[in-house]
Amino acid sequence: NAGVTQTPKFQVLKTGQSMTLQCAQDMNHEYMSWYRQDPGMGLRLIHYSVGAGITDQGEVPNGYNVSRSTTEDFPLRLLSAAPSQTSVYFCASSYVGLARVNTGELFFGEGSRLTVL
Amino acid sequence: GESVGLHLPTLSVQEGDNSIINCAYSNSASDYFIWYKQESGKGPQFIIDIRSNMDKRQGQRVTVLLNKTVKHLSLQIAATQPGDSAVYFCAENIGSNTGKLIFGQGTTLQVKP
Repeated sequence: NAGVTQTPKFQVLKTGQSMTLQCAQDMNHEYMSWYRQDPGMGLRLIHYSVGAGITDQGEVPNGYNVSRSTTEDFPLRLLSAAPSQTSVYFCASSYVGLARVNTGELFFGEGSRLTVL
Repeated sequence: GESVGLHLPTLSVQEGDNSIINCAYSNSASDYFIWYKQESGKGPQFIIDIRSNMDKRQGQRVTVLLNKTVKHLSLQIAATQPGDSAVYFCAENIGSNTGKLIFGQGTTLQVKP
C-alpha cells in the first residue's frame, strides 16, 4: 500500500516555465488537497477536491491550477512559475463521509521541493 | 479572517518529562481540530483530533484539551521520548462542509537526553 505518492521530489525551474506536480493515492480517498509549506508559515491550502470532477480554491490559489479527472490523481499545475512559488508542496488525501464531509485526518505525501530561479 | 497560531515556536524538554504544546484559534465557528506531527524531511502525520462538543480526548501518550471559551487547545505528550522530536501543528477545520483545513505555524519540540 503506497499511500500518497508525489513526483518529482525535487525540481528547479526558471521564471516563466510551467510544470505539473503529480499526486496519486491508492486508498480510494475522495478528498485530495494541495498545500505549500514555507519557513515560519505553516502549511497553506492551495486547492482541494471532494471528488472526481470537483475542485475548489483554498487560501492561496493564485498561480496554480488543478483538475480531478479520476479518484486517484490530483495534479497541480504551475502555468508560469515565479520565485514566490519556491516552496515545499504537499499533497494530502482523506476519506469523505456520507455527508461529503472531510474527516480532517489527512494522509500526506513526502513532499515536492520546488525552486524557481 | 481565520487564523490558527501556536504560542511558542520552539519547546525544549528533558526526556521523560511531559510536554505541553499550545495553540490558539480565532474562528469561533470551527468545529473540529487536529494535531499533526512533522518529522524532518517528511510530510505531516495525524496524531489526534477533537470535535468542538468535547473538552478532552486521550490517545496513546497524548491528550488534547479544548477550551472553547478562550479558543485555545493544547497537546500534552506524556513521558516525552527522543522520537517525539518534531514540528507539531494544530489545524482547524473551518467548516465541515468546505474541506478547508487551516494550519498553524508549528512548534518545534526538542527532546534533550
